[in-house]
Amino acid sequence: DTGVSQNPRHKITKRGQNVTFRCDPISEHNRLYWYRQTLGQGPEFLTYFQNEAQLEKSRLLSDRFSAERPKGSFSTLEIQRTEQGDSAMYLCASSSGWAAQETQYFGPGTRLLVL
Amino acid sequence: SQKIEQNSEALNIQEGKTATLTCNYTNYSPAYLQWYRQDPGRGPVFLLLIRENEKEKRKERLKVTFDTTLKQSLFHITASQPADSATYLCALGGSGTYKYIFGTGTRLKVLA
Repeated sequence: DTGVSQNPRHKITKRGQNVTFRCDPISEHNRLYWYRQTLGQGPEFLTYFQNEAQLEKSRLLSDRFSAERPKGSFSTLEIQRTEQGDSAMYLCASSSGWAAQETQYFGPGTRLLVL
Repeated sequence: SQKIEQNSEALNIQEGKTATLTCNYTNYSPAYLQWYRQDPGRGPVFLLLIRENEKEKRKERLKVTFDTTLKQSLFHITASQPADSATYLCALGGSGTYKYIFGTGTRLKVLA
């Protein structure tokens, strides 16, 4: 399977703990996105990378969230001092090409539950 | 602030009929608009893209229209099938950025 993969698929943690998620994009894609989705809502943009550069970050994203893409391949999203409000599905997507022709390919997501 | 509205209530239609979903937006001038399908517990899957200078786009049983004056896109599924049951999301993108803003999605249920 050469699609976008995310690990873990599910994560249960206690409030105050740190969690880290991993995303492996489609190999030739240079852009990688992170979204958060809660029940009944559409994906909410968090941040995106072009190769290893983080080009845009949502103003809604608190300082507890950080993302990296060190070699322009896989990416990690870390949430520090988790809160119950962080419970959501975290989606990763990758794409390539010019913006007007861009198709985002989404992974299956990581479902986070903060107790 | 930018706002995207999709029918929050589920849409139930009979098999074989045409389903029409609406995406309205305010305080935004998108350069292009995409429609995605999302099944429960899965990531969205891309369906169609339409640019601001295009009025209509078709792909098999799918049709998308884009009216920048009304600030609205309509998504049609003709000859609908129970397998079309899913949540459909619209996403808007602007020129000069690769960032997309998604709507809340509309849940479609096609009844056999």
